[in-house]
Amino acid sequence: QVQLQESGPGLVQPSETLSLTCTVSGDSMYTYYWSWIRQPPGRGLEWIGYIYYTGSPKYNPSLKTRVTMSVDTSKNQFSLNLTSVTAADTAVYYCARIRLAAQLAKYFFDYWGQGTLVTVSS
Amino acid sequence: QSVLTQPPSVSAAPGQKVTISCSGSNSNIVSNYVSWYQQFPGTAPKLVIYDNNRRPSGIPDRFSGSKSGSSATLALTGLQTGDEADYYCATWDSSLSAVVFGGGTELTVL
Repeated sequence: QVQLQESGPGLVQPSETLSLTCTVSGDSMYTYYWSWIRQPPGRGLEWIGYIYYTGSPKYNPSLKTRVTMSVDTSKNQFSLNLTSVTAADTAVYYCARIRLAAQLAKYFFDYWGQGTLVTVSS
Repeated sequence: QSVLTQPPSVSAAPGQKVTISCSGSNSNIVSNYVSWYQQFPGTAPKLVIYDNNRRPSGIPDRFSGSKSGSSATLALTGLQTGDEADYYCATWDSSLSAVVFGGGTELTVL
């Protein structure tokens, strides 16, 4: 059974960089894609981006200028950096495994972390 | 404003059937597969339907999905109070080059 666990600061200052790490256990990261999704309090889900185990990230165009993702297969981890944060970036951040086959137009998230609340405030 | 449109809420009595719609367009639902997620308050979403109509292992056959044109539907039969949750649809949008979610539907089992 694949398990994912987010970690990182729960409070980030405005204009600073939000940094989170997701640790994967129960299976290898190899051959899979990994993703970040966020959910502002009381609101819906927003996809942030995904990254293959070899790298090659793809970001949501709405966040592309501020997002960087990376992967470290030796630690079974992948990470998210979001720069120049504002109060609008306050949300529960989830990491998830995304199953995708672009040529077949198939995308879905089969395993999720429990989520971590990140508040942007001074 | 979400790219995919869902009703904010639906309700039905225990034992009854309920459907949740997800309306999109040519660039998303028409040309890509749809998935559905169940989310209880304070917990992570859980995959209940993928590839329009396939159920992951462990999801009861009371849950079913379908797609026609630019709309997808999640159906739940034999409703139980434990089904009360928020439900989200999702797919790829080829114009936006992004995974998009519906705004979510709150299911109440009266």
